[in-house]
Amino acid sequence: EVQLVESGGGLVQPGGSLRLSCSASGFTFSSYAMHWVRQAPGKGLEYVSAISSNGGSTYYADSVKGRFTISRDNSKNTLYLQMSSLRAEDTAVYYCVIHIAAAGIYWGQGTLVTVSS
Amino acid sequence: DIQMTQSPSSVSASVGDRVTITCRASQGISSWLAWYQQKPGKAPKLLIYAASSLQSGVPSRFSGSGSGTDFTLTISSLQPEDFATYYCQQANSSPLTFGGGTKVEIK
Repeated sequence: EVQLVESGGGLVQPGGSLRLSCSASGFTFSSYAMHWVRQAPGKGLEYVSAISSNGGSTYYADSVKGRFTISRDNSKNTLYLQMSSLRAEDTAVYYCVIHIAAAGIYWGQGTLVTVSS
Repeated sequence: DIQMTQSPSSVSASVGDRVTITCRASQGISSWLAWYQQKPGKAPKLLIYAASSLQSGVPSRFSGSGSGTDFTLTISSLQPEDFATYYCQQANSSPLTFGGGTKVEIK
């Protein structure tokens, strides 16, 4: 069974930093691209970032480019999102997502990031 | 990036009504489309994958159709537990972009 468990969320001041983690199990982690999606309170789903299976290729939404860094450790089956220069508008639930072709799209339960002074 | 346009943004309906939500991709995505249901405070729940494949445990009143650029989610007979927000997502290529959502409200 595919399982994704996010951690690392919390309250941070504007301009601060936070690192999110996503622990994966139930599939061959090193074979798949991984994604981060977020949802601000009362808003729709926003795609944030992606990383290829070997970490060699990354994608960032314009809203986070230059401030967020996605990475992965295939030996630990873990995905990361390093967030810096955080703004109030980054307040959201952050989800770790994987698309396994012909099987489905799987989401974690999410971790809440609140940027506030 | 592939843009996903979802309509309507909201719909008011009664229990027992048939509800149809559409999603259009800015370029062809074959059948790589998913539909989600989301209730307040919860993670999105995958209803349909690959445009028409009903996920295990999802009631058969939900169905999906389409390919290429135009897709439809249909709820054949709306039930009280179906009042929620629905999203489409393309899975053809990264970034896996979303539609803006459709809120299904009680009439």
